[in-house]
Amino acid sequence: GAVVSQHPSRVICKSGTSVKIECRSLDFQATTMFWYRQFPKQSLMLMATSNEGSKATYEQGVEKDKFLINHASLTLSTLTVTSAHPEDSSFYICSARDSLTEAFFGQGTRLTVV
Amino acid sequence: QKEVEQNSGPLSVPEGAIASLNCTYSDRGSQSFFWYRQYSGKSPELIMSIYSNGDKEDGRFTAQLNKASQYVSLLIRDSQPSDSATYLCAVNDNSGYALNFGKGTSLLVTP
Repeated sequence: GAVVSQHPSRVICKSGTSVKIECRSLDFQATTMFWYRQFPKQSLMLMATSNEGSKATYEQGVEKDKFLINHASLTLSTLTVTSAHPEDSSFYICSARDSLTEAFFGQGTRLTVV
Repeated sequence: QKEVEQNSGPLSVPEGAIASLNCTYSDRGSQSFFWYRQYSGKSPELIMSIYSNGDKEDGRFTAQLNKASQYVSLLIRDSQPSDSATYLCAVNDNSGYALNFGKGTSLLVTP
């Protein structure tokens, strides 16, 4: 299957600071990438759909000014959690599709805000 | 609202047995169906995809799809302790939008 690389895998930051998470499709071009958040023992919750060269589409209840998404190229999307707070601590996962079928996930980023 | 329903479990089966995981979905326009396996603290890993009615086999895994009943299942034969994980059912209508995930079924295979 296709490879999606996500970095960093784990990050601890202080409350009020910003954290950037990168998601790269290594062997295919992804015009669309998806960002999910998963709290412990919960399912994946879609946060936003990232489209190359255009603004991201955010799900209801997700603050676009807090979770900044940039999809500057066909292989890279970034999610920046701005002014992070402890309640933002979660497992963030990106996903990309190489066709209108299968989706592949990055390794995920465990964010802890202290 | 498009919904994907799974029994949260845990489903406990003895080693060597068949594990049967079930999923129902609400959107009749759904075209693509996927099973992902997620170990604790890790991101989901694609196990099976199925697009047409019937069975699809891959090694110890068999996916079954019944669009009329809006039902998709995953059978794991000769279950191993390493199969213990949460299994996520995902559905898409081929619109290019994100997959819609169920909440997952926790599977425990006991030695």
